[in-house]
Amino acid sequence: DAGVTQSPTHLIKTRGQQVTLRCSPKSGHDTVSWYQQALGQGPQFIFQYYEEEERQRGNFPDRFSGHQFPNYSSELNVNALLLGDSALYLCASSRQGAGDPYEQYFGPGTRLTVT
Amino acid sequence: GESVGLHLPTLSVQEGDNSIINCAYSNSASDYFIWYKQESGKGPQFIIDIRSNMDKRQGQRVTVLLNKTVKHLSLQIAATQPGDSAVYFCAEIKTLPQRRGKLIFGQGTELSVKP
Repeated sequence: DAGVTQSPTHLIKTRGQQVTLRCSPKSGHDTVSWYQQALGQGPQFIFQYYEEEERQRGNFPDRFSGHQFPNYSSELNVNALLLGDSALYLCASSRQGAGDPYEQYFGPGTRLTVT
Repeated sequence: GESVGLHLPTLSVQEGDNSIINCAYSNSASDYFIWYKQESGKGPQFIIDIRSNMDKRQGQRVTVLLNKTVKHLSLQIAATQPGDSAVYFCAEIKTLPQRRGKLIFGQGTELSVKP
């Protein structure tokens, strides 16, 4: 049973560019949450997708957007990249209505470096 | 505001000793408190949780204590092993209708186990 997968593993971008990160949830999961983890910090909630809609959002600017596909996989898009966007981006999946709401399974993350 | 913080950024213990990792939280309305373990290059991994109406919960070699009076959470690891070396995060969540909710993480404590 595959867990949460993310691609790419590492990414280097230049300021002002745009980036797309991808996530495939754990088998049987239908909800995807995205987190940003700066070096030495705890993950910060970006947003959550369920039924192809964003249903909760953290304190991140509109430059951060996402999408969920019918197969429950998800993308995180960041426009006009800033140096401060350099971080580990984590995807977590869960199943609506099953288990406790915090039972989110995390992927290994995508390390984004903005130069 | 919403914040979860840790008292000690680093903790070094001898193999076989007990470890105690502490955490302070600020949101009295949180329903669950959770401890995660994050190893290098991996996403956070669930360790143990505790509901807000409980004071103590035990797992395999781990115990979580919740003191709501002083808004304090702790993780005790018995007979610490080298494989326990990682960064430990406390997190909290306030569940919303339809089982929504975002995890709010603290900064993290790095546990180093000396053989």
